[in-house]
Amino acid sequence: GQQVMQIPQYQHVQEGEDFTTYCNSSTTLSNIQWYKQRPGGHPVFLIQLVKSGEVKKQKRLTFQFGEAKKNSSLHITATQTTDVGTYFCAGIDYGGSQGNLIFGKGTKLSVKP
Amino acid sequence: DSGVTQTPKHLITATGQRVTLRCSPRSGDLSVYWYQQSLDQGLQFLIHYYNGEERAKGNILERFSAQQFPDLHSELNLSSLELGDSALYFCASSVEDSGYEQYFGPGTRLTVT
Repeated sequence: GQQVMQIPQYQHVQEGEDFTTYCNSSTTLSNIQWYKQRPGGHPVFLIQLVKSGEVKKQKRLTFQFGEAKKNSSLHITATQTTDVGTYFCAGIDYGGSQGNLIFGKGTKLSVKP
Repeated sequence: DSGVTQTPKHLITATGQRVTLRCSPRSGDLSVYWYQQSLDQGLQFLIHYYNGEERAKGNILERFSAQQFPDLHSELNLSSLELGDSALYFCASSVEDSGYEQYFGPGTRLTVT
């Protein structure tokens, strides 16, 4: 079945360093969403990418959707302690997953002050 | 606060028992999704209801069932519980059918002893 792989599984950075997490799908995606889950919390929607090659920015966060719509990335510039949490990508393949989100296993980010 | 409510917050029960988890979606949202989050498995999609009808099933065991009621709240029933069913169960809602951003509830932590 459809799979969404996410790397790395863990990332430890010093505050102020940049951070990137990568998401790869075994199939072409219709769109991709990113969520953040703080420790002890629930996933919170960050953004949705729909178009091939799309790039969106939210302050220090930059999201990209690959040209082939099979991969995506989230880049955080100059991390802060408030960025701590697990970042999930979730792909939608209307053909394969009946339009439902297939989540990657997430990248857990820790930030050392 | 996402506007999605889940009860109970915590549930401790014994193997072989049956429990019911309840979810109320955001006001106006027609879709309800159920997810299971275990330590090493990330977020596993279980089932999706839209306006009272089952839309899609994911990795949901036959021992599990769900329904969405006319007032749009949903219940997830877990029976013949096993130790491996211990997990966080999240409900999420979205405004329409699949493909929209999802708003997650705070989750129900189920512990099977």
